[in-house]
Amino acid sequence: GAGVSQSPSNKVTEKGKDVELRCDPISGHTALYWYRQSLGQGLEFLIYFQGNSAPDKSGLPSDRFSAERTGGSVSTLTIQRTQQEDSAVYLCASSPANSPLHFGNGTRLTVT
Amino acid sequence: QQQVKQSPQSLIVQKGGISIINCAYENTAFDYFPWYQQFPGKGPALLIAIRPDVSEKKEGRFTISFNKSAKQFSLHIMDSQPGDSATYFCAATPGDSSYKLIFGSGTRLLVRP
Repeated sequence: GAGVSQSPSNKVTEKGKDVELRCDPISGHTALYWYRQSLGQGLEFLIYFQGNSAPDKSGLPSDRFSAERTGGSVSTLTIQRTQQEDSAVYLCASSPANSPLHFGNGTRLTVT
Repeated sequence: QQQVKQSPQSLIVQKGGISIINCAYENTAFDYFPWYQQFPGKGPALLIAIRPDVSEKKEGRFTISFNKSAKQFSLHIMDSQPGDSATYFCAATPGDSSYKLIFGSGTRLLVRP
């Protein structure tokens, strides 16, 4: 079956521009997560959705970052006024409730 | 701050050898300890996981050893193969927020033919 799909796979943007990253979770998975992986670093939790609600946004680094999920399915992570330190791989994962996470292949964001 | 410390940063092993990656944690509330395997350009994939009520879990060539008193756990890859060459991440999650995995910094494993 299809796994977690993320688009675009690569995104190059100029400093100050806004970007939107998309995640299509595995069908039927109620939970959705965003993580960030910086070069040479581990994975950093950003936000967690249960259905369309985000009970934990504690990992979002600043108010330039926001995310939404609609229809209990697709999620969009938006970064406003991008900065060079935002350059990283943004990973989306989904899971059934209280089950292991299934990760997508990520969106590699480069801010020039 | 919740943290998981992973070592070594990189590891080179000959084919057929044993690869050992270690992790340590501080937060005694952690109660789920997964290991993820990541190939270049791919997302991490769950490899094996353990809960603190057991000291060891084995799945094929992969074994987790868990030492609750020392707050340490390790991944052993027996009969390492070139196809095992990847980056490995340990992780932990606290019982009150089981969705929020705290990852180690990763170990890049190279298995030489």
